Amino acid sequence: NAGVMQNPRHLVRRRGQEARLRCSPMKGHSHVYWYRQLPEEGLKFMVYLQKENIIDESGMPKERFSAEFPKEGPSILRIQQVVRGDSAAYFCASSPVPGHSSGNTIYFGEGSWLTVV
Amino acid sequence: KQEVTQIPAALSVPEGENLVLNCSFTDSAIYNLQWFRQDPGKGLTSLLLIQSSQREQTSGRLNASLDKSSGRSTLYIAASQPGDSATYLCAVPSDNQGGKLIFGQGTELSVKP
Repeated sequence: NAGVMQNPRHLVRRRGQEARLRCSPMKGHSHVYWYRQLPEEGLKFMVYLQKENIIDESGMPKERFSAEFPKEGPSILRIQQVVRGDSAAYFCASSPVPGHSSGNTIYFGEGSWLTVV
Repeated sequence: KQEVTQIPAALSVPEGENLVLNCSFTDSAIYNLQWFRQDPGKGLTSLLLIQSSQREQTSGRLNASLDKSSGRSTLYIAASQPGDSATYLCAVPSDNQGGKLIFGQGTELSVKP
């Protein structure tokens, strides 16, 4: 059973370009979460998605950032008009079911490292 | 608002030592607490998950305890090895959506041979 797959692992973009990060959850997982790890900061929640639905985007910056999880294919985190401050590691995670009572841990991907030059 | 704090931020020990990493949280009404390991340039690996009704969990040389009333968890690593060198993160769910986690800043552990 493959783990959470993220690509690209490393991405370099010039200021003003777009960055697209992809995440395929573990098989059988329908809940996807995106986190960002800025240099010298901890991991911060960005968005929680189920297939075709954004459940919680309270951690997403209001502008330039968007996320989707279509019926078919991977989840996409899209950053438009990137700036140097967007340079960070972006992690995707998945779980089979949400909720504290499930006892299910959340599985993280290896991350996508975005560098904006 | 829940806040998670980890101390120390960094720790260096000689191989073979037993060590304790600390995690504290401000709101004791948590559903569970997880400890993760992160190697440089890598993702997170879940080490232990303690449900709110549990006091501790063990996996090999790792033991995690949870004291909800005092807002603390500890990760005990027995007989440390150089391969244990990594950053250790604790996290609690922000609500009953189990995947929306609030992380501490992590403890960077270095085990010297």
